[in-house]
Amino acid sequence: DVKVTQSSRYLVKRTGEKVFLECVQDMDHENMFWYRQDPGLGLRLIYFSYDVKMKEKGDIPEGYSVSREKKERFSLILESASTNQTSMYLCASYRRRAFGTEAFFGQGTRLTVV
Amino acid sequence: DQQVKQNSPSLSVQEGRISILNCDYTNSMFDYFLWYKKYPAEGPTFLISISSIKDKNEDGRFTVFLNKSAKHLSLHIVPSQPGDSAVYFCAASARQGGSEKLVFGKGTKLTVNP
Repeated sequence: DVKVTQSSRYLVKRTGEKVFLECVQDMDHENMFWYRQDPGLGLRLIYFSYDVKMKEKGDIPEGYSVSREKKERFSLILESASTNQTSMYLCASYRRRAFGTEAFFGQGTRLTVV
Repeated sequence: DQQVKQNSPSLSVQEGRISILNCDYTNSMFDYFLWYKKYPAEGPTFLISISSIKDKNEDGRFTVFLNKSAKHLSLHIVPSQPGDSAVYFCAASARQGGSEKLVFGKGTKLTVNP
């Protein structure tokens, strides 16, 4: 089974701190994604990466950056955390199937910025 | 512009009855559709998918129907069980230039009452 692991389940950070969210997948997938989930807003795409050192902005990239130095690891960085970044963050790894693409998600990181 | 819409934020059904979750899409290039299930404080897990070359896919208690002309798909759960209570996300993808990403709806919270 594909495993996507996020480094923390729960985090509490102060406003202005630099925050690193780590994600590792073990199936050699090329495509990795970061989403945030908020009530009533569903899953919103922050950034994604199709290859090592490659990144593309999603729908809500402001206030975030990413790093993909190795194929299995995709990090989300909050340069200066703000309270409106309090959310559930979900990392996903994609697998190509015969007819389409399937996403495998990590367990999520609940980030609270105080 | 929301390309994948789940117009019902919530749904409540009685145990043993049928649950029907609906999803509409606007992009005619979408050719693969998936349903994900998400419990609180966990990442979404893949439930069932359907390719645009089919109009129905069944897996145990779960059946997904696709109506391409109406750009509509639905997930049927029969019989519904209390353990099915979760948020269900509809997702769609299109093969464009070799790259793909999933577009998610905002989710429907299903509550199955004992």
